[in-house]
Amino acid sequence: DARVTQTPRHKVTEMGQEVTMRCQPILGHNTVFWYRQTMMQGLELLAYFRNRAPLDDSGMPKDRFSAEMPDATLATLKIQPSEPRDSAVYFCASGTRDRVPYEQYFGPGTRLTVT
Amino acid sequence: AQKVTQAQTEISVVEKEDVTLDCVYETRDTTYYLFWYKQPPSGELVFLIRRNSFDEQNEISGRYSWNFQKSTSSFNFTITASQVVDSAVYFCALSEDSGYSTLTFGKGTMLLVSP
Repeated sequence: DARVTQTPRHKVTEMGQEVTMRCQPILGHNTVFWYRQTMMQGLELLAYFRNRAPLDDSGMPKDRFSAEMPDATLATLKIQPSEPRDSAVYFCASGTRDRVPYEQYFGPGTRLTVT
Repeated sequence: AQKVTQAQTEISVVEKEDVTLDCVYETRDTTYYLFWYKQPPSGELVFLIRRNSFDEQNEISGRYSWNFQKSTSSFNFTITASQVVDSAVYFCALSEDSGYSTLTFGKGTMLLVSP
């Protein structure tokens, strides 16, 4: 049963530290999404990639967040420097048009706490 | 801009009761896709259903049913004979175009089913 994997599942860090979250999309999926979930804002899109190219990262604070896909099997989301307001659950999702009906498969999330 | 409204923040029912979760959406697109996701206490996001804007037929899957009405821009979700395991946060989401694009989520409805 193919799944999206995310590491780490939990991360506690101090303000100012760099945080890197990793996502392994389902093999063969060519679209990868990063979402953030907070109590106040709910689920919101941060960025997404298609065929490893960034298509939209307008949801990310540009000064501290960066998202990349070094290869088709790995997507990363970095925060540098981290701030307490970045505390949230970060979800990665992957999908493809080859599958009918199309759906986004979500990973288990990374719960980030910045103190 | 797209918008999804889930007016019910929290619903509490007793097991075996039927419950309907409301979802109202806004979009200027003529082609769009609607989704429901379930987020149990464990935190993962579980895909439940995807419907396109051209298919207004109601759908039933076991105890779950969905009522899509374009005239009122609503995509409501009903659970028949609710069970404790149905306790979760349920998200309605909207995607433009082919469904290959990003998801705009509602704030979610927390459903509590007590024995």
